[in-house]
Amino acid sequence: AQSVAQPEDQVNVAEGNPLTVKCTYSVSGNPYLFWYVQYPNRGLQFLLKYITGDNLVKGSYGFEAEFNKSQTSFHLKKPSALVSDSALYFCAVRDMNRDDKIIFGKGTRLHILP
Amino acid sequence: GAVVSQHPSRVICKSGTSVKIECRSLDFQATTMFWYRQFPKQSLMLMATSNEGSKATYEQGVEKDKFLINHASLTLSTLTVTSAHPEDSSFYICSAEGLGSYNEQFFGPGTRLTVL
Repeated sequence: AQSVAQPEDQVNVAEGNPLTVKCTYSVSGNPYLFWYVQYPNRGLQFLLKYITGDNLVKGSYGFEAEFNKSQTSFHLKKPSALVSDSALYFCAVRDMNRDDKIIFGKGTRLHILP
Repeated sequence: GAVVSQHPSRVICKSGTSVKIECRSLDFQATTMFWYRQFPKQSLMLMATSNEGSKATYEQGVEKDKFLINHASLTLSTLTVTSAHPEDSSFYICSAEGLGSYNEQFFGPGTRLTVL
């Protein structure tokens, strides 16, 4: 069965420093991988996705993620954090060889310290 | 493009009443719509998947008689929480998926349901 793990409940980063939010996945087929951000009492906003092609995916608001097949990881990164990046981040996977369900990780709360 | 709306954004109701939440794809035709539930500080849990014109497919543990889903058109799906109880209080999020360039899930802004 497909699954997504976000090992960190919370990540604290000083403003201006690089940030990484970790995600690992497990699927039987080819993964489609996503990152979403959620602000308080709001729905999910799409950040980026990996389907095929370059392992480094660039997305919205300066975020990027690197697909690593050997480590089954899809960590979210940003070179220089902003206070406004503070939010809840969800990694998600979809196994297109099986069905059309997206499975979400439990989420990682990102705190950017001014 | 690819905007999904939900109405209402927030609803408070008394225990025992029914509440309807609408999910609309505003600029594309959604062949499939998904309904999620999110508890505080937790991830999204898929409740059901609905295809236009057919019955919804519910996830294990979700009561289909309690959470009625209708997907009558390519731009509208509704979730009705029947005989709501305080434990149904939650954040409900829908997503919509279409064809071609819309072949991925686009999420609505969510509906906060509070049952008194």
